[in-house]
Amino acid sequence: DAGVIQSPRHEVTEMGQEVTLRCKPISGHNSLFWYRQTMMRGLELLIYFNNNVPIDDSGMPEDRFSAKMPNASFSTLKIQPSEPRDSAVYFCASSPRGGTEAFFGQGTRLTVV
Amino acid sequence: SQELEQSPQSLIVQEGKNLTINCTSSKTLYGLYWYKQKYGEGLIFLMMLQKGGEEKSHEKITAKLDEKKQQSSLHITASQPSHAGIYLCGADLQGAQKLVFGQGTRLTINP
Repeated sequence: DAGVIQSPRHEVTEMGQEVTLRCKPISGHNSLFWYRQTMMRGLELLIYFNNNVPIDDSGMPEDRFSAKMPNASFSTLKIQPSEPRDSAVYFCASSPRGGTEAFFGQGTRLTVV
Repeated sequence: SQELEQSPQSLIVQEGKNLTINCTSSKTLYGLYWYKQKYGEGLIFLMMLQKGGEEKSHEKITAKLDEKKQQSSLHITASQPSHAGIYLCGADLQGAQKLVFGQGTRLTINP
């Protein structure tokens, strides 16, 4: 198995632009998580899905952030409009089910200038 | 997450020395996970603990979960340069089935 696949690995964009991060979870996994990592705040849980349904989005910082999971093999995290303070590494992770270990992708390093 | 406190935040040890990292919560931990991260990379799963008093080992790394299931420790014996990185504890708090993480402990091994 290729593991959790995220794209792109690096993204540099100008303030105000829309950014879309993509994630392909491990086949057969029912739970999917989006995290954001910064030096100041560490690893923050933004949203998680169970069987493609958003269960808890309380970590999404503001309305500029949205996440979708149209099917079991694909999820997106969108930021519109982007701001410099959104610069961070965004991780996607999947697990066979809630309450088991999560497997992480390599992350997307986002820089908003 | 402030729901999980890790200590210390950073640690520098001489190669060959032992070390311990702690992870504490005010809530019951329904699952405690230890991960390791190298700079610029994703998190690598190390171990999962679920039962009070449980202890697991992998090579020179041992993790324990206390009886009350509110504190875990990660112990490395005879540290090596390959152990360097950021160690994060994650937990499913009170069975909410969402995985939150501590701030991480940055470990440096000096030769």
